[in-house]
Amino acid sequence: EPEVTQTPSHQVTQMGQEVILRCVPISNHLYFYWYRQILGQKVEFLVSFYNNEISEKSEIFDDQFSVERPDGSNFTLKIRSTKLEDSAMYFCASTLGQLNEKLFFGSGTQLSVL
Amino acid sequence: AQTVTQSQPEMSVQEAETVTLSCTYDTSESDYYLFWYKQPPSRQMILVIRQEAYKQQNATENRFSVNFQKAAKSFSLKISDSQLGDAAMYFCAYRGNAGNMLTFGGGTRLMVKP
Repeated sequence: EPEVTQTPSHQVTQMGQEVILRCVPISNHLYFYWYRQILGQKVEFLVSFYNNEISEKSEIFDDQFSVERPDGSNFTLKIRSTKLEDSAMYFCASTLGQLNEKLFFGSGTQLSVL
Repeated sequence: AQTVTQSQPEMSVQEAETVTLSCTYDTSESDYYLFWYKQPPSRQMILVIRQEAYKQQNATENRFSVNFQKAAKSFSLKISDSQLGDAAMYFCAYRGNAGNMLTFGGGTRLMVKP
């Protein structure tokens, strides 16, 4: 089965530093997403992306977050100035169509902000 | 806003027995999708089963089946013939018909006893 690939699997950073989390969605998919899961809590939607622009975002996705699809294959999440509370598992996901119910998740990047 | 509630933080089942995980949701929409995701210790999100709200027939995938009660806004997951590999966190999730954002419940940790 095709896979969504995320790198790195673990990222450690100092508070205030910028981080970029990388994802390679499934090649023919058109809709891309970032979710996060703080340890012990529920999975939360951050943002969805289609046709090179954000289509939906949550209240969590404030000005310190940005997403980009720089080269047609990678899909990145940038956190400009990390805070301790940004420590979480970040999941990338993709789907073929907007209303296609099969959402493929990557294996996640565990971000630790010290 | 939609909410998803899983009232059982933890459940345990004897190997080969059957267990039912509960999920309720709140929505004003008539068309939507419901999902159960499994999250093993690796923390990858794996789709277990999905249900379209317009379908009266309960979805089934091998040992996994759902009891979808639309009027009660209830969506429980039944795991038959439980196996040790079923031990994981299970998340119920909701997606409306218009958007592509998933709203997750808080999860239920399932333990399988040999």
